Amino acid sequence: AQKVTQAQTEISVVEKEDVTLDCVYETRDTTYYLFWYKQPPSGELVFLIRRNSFDEQNEISGRYSWNFQKSTSSFNFTITASQVVDSAVYFCALSVAYGNNRLAFGKGNQVVVIP
Amino acid sequence: DTEVTQTPKHLVMGMTNKKSLKCEQHMGHRAMYWYKQKAKKPPELMFVYSYEKLSINESVPSRFSPECPNSSLLNLHLHALQPEDSALYLCASSQGLADSYEQYFGPGTRLTVT
Repeated sequence: AQKVTQAQTEISVVEKEDVTLDCVYETRDTTYYLFWYKQPPSGELVFLIRRNSFDEQNEISGRYSWNFQKSTSSFNFTITASQVVDSAVYFCALSVAYGNNRLAFGKGNQVVVIP
Repeated sequence: DTEVTQTPKHLVMGMTNKKSLKCEQHMGHRAMYWYKQKAKKPPELMFVYSYEKLSINESVPSRFSPECPNSSLLNLHLHALQPEDSALYLCASSQGLADSYEQYFGPGTRLTVT
């Protein structure tokens, strides 16, 4: 079975601080895909990144960066110099190569950025 | 354009009403999804359509009836709902059903059943 754990439920930071969201996943499959989504108060889930199990390169996109480590089954997400617009719920999700694109979501991290 | 639209934005209905939620995408995606999300929880998959055919039904009660009239449209027909069905209903689409494809979500319909 596939499982994603996001242990921190709510994280508060002061604007301009960095915040790291932990994502630990479990799967027996060797081919899988990991995703991060952002859900602002408006409700829409916004796709942020996809990483496949064979690509362990870290990625940076503006103030966002991701650290994928297969050895610890983790796919952590860091927001650098946080801004109020980063206040949202962030979901980590896992999909395995069964051909039905079923996502196993973590419980989500509520990030509150205080001005 | 990575946009999925949903109407209505908000819906209040009684337990005896019949209503429909609509979802539309113009990205040429061939897979479309319905999710239900309760407050402070992750989305839960309800239905998946692939090439306009129902591919997955996650044991959803029959008071929810999906329909995919064409590759761009997805409807969810609601009938005799219960108060516990109140939730945010999200539609999503992806290029196909391969697990590598990211899903693009709409803004959702906030449903209240009275």
